[in-house]
Amino acid sequence: DADVTQTPRNRITKTGKRIMLECSQTKGHDRMYWYRQDPGLGLRLIYYSFDVKDINKGEISDGYSVSRQAQAKFSLSLESAIPNQTALYFCATSDPPRTGLYEQYFGPGTRLTVT
Amino acid sequence: AQSVTQLGSHVSVSEGALVLLRCNYSSSVPPYLFWYVQYPNQGLQLLLKYTSAATLVKGINDFEAEFKKSETSFHLTKPSAHMSDAAEYFCAVSDSGGGADGLTFGKGTHLIIQP
Repeated sequence: DADVTQTPRNRITKTGKRIMLECSQTKGHDRMYWYRQDPGLGLRLIYYSFDVKDINKGEISDGYSVSRQAQAKFSLSLESAIPNQTALYFCATSDPPRTGLYEQYFGPGTRLTVT
Repeated sequence: AQSVTQLGSHVSVSEGALVLLRCNYSSSVPPYLFWYVQYPNQGLQLLLKYTSAATLVKGINDFEAEFKKSETSFHLTKPSAHMSDAAEYFCAVSDSGGGADGLTFGKGTHLIIQP
């Protein structure tokens, strides 16, 4: 079974709708991240969380919100979707700094289309 | 703040030829550097990482990269390309404990393998 899972894998929604993307992990990591990928732009950080009570904005947080329901779950919401939020969204976790491993582990992605 | 520049959005090589994907970074502090690969319709997989140990880093599938501080570069190479290497490759940098606050990605290089 995958260590980082995302649901749904694909979603088409209309402008103005609220949508939630969910991420779950079984790696036991405290640190979780949401990125979006656009063709030709690479991945950009939306939000990250160090634990349930510690949420931080990333480079492109406008128009998004997040919820860390538990250590294993980190959800991304679009309160009122707009077409330029059409993208591939990735959730990731990272090793604790004390391990010295410095790797981020990515989910399979959610392809979101806003019409 | 850090940034990453990947030269060439598309690189085409013949099967069996040398693969060279270029990455230059900008960071105000000693960086941690990563190369990730994304196969079609999949998430990102770590190829290799530089975390201030040896400057020549070996990764999976015979890929390697050399950290050159004087050139602020971290180019990815593979001696002999295989058809299965066709994918999107991302260089990423972190200057905060190896990605604790998230990674900054380059825009990606699409590697095409010609038979």
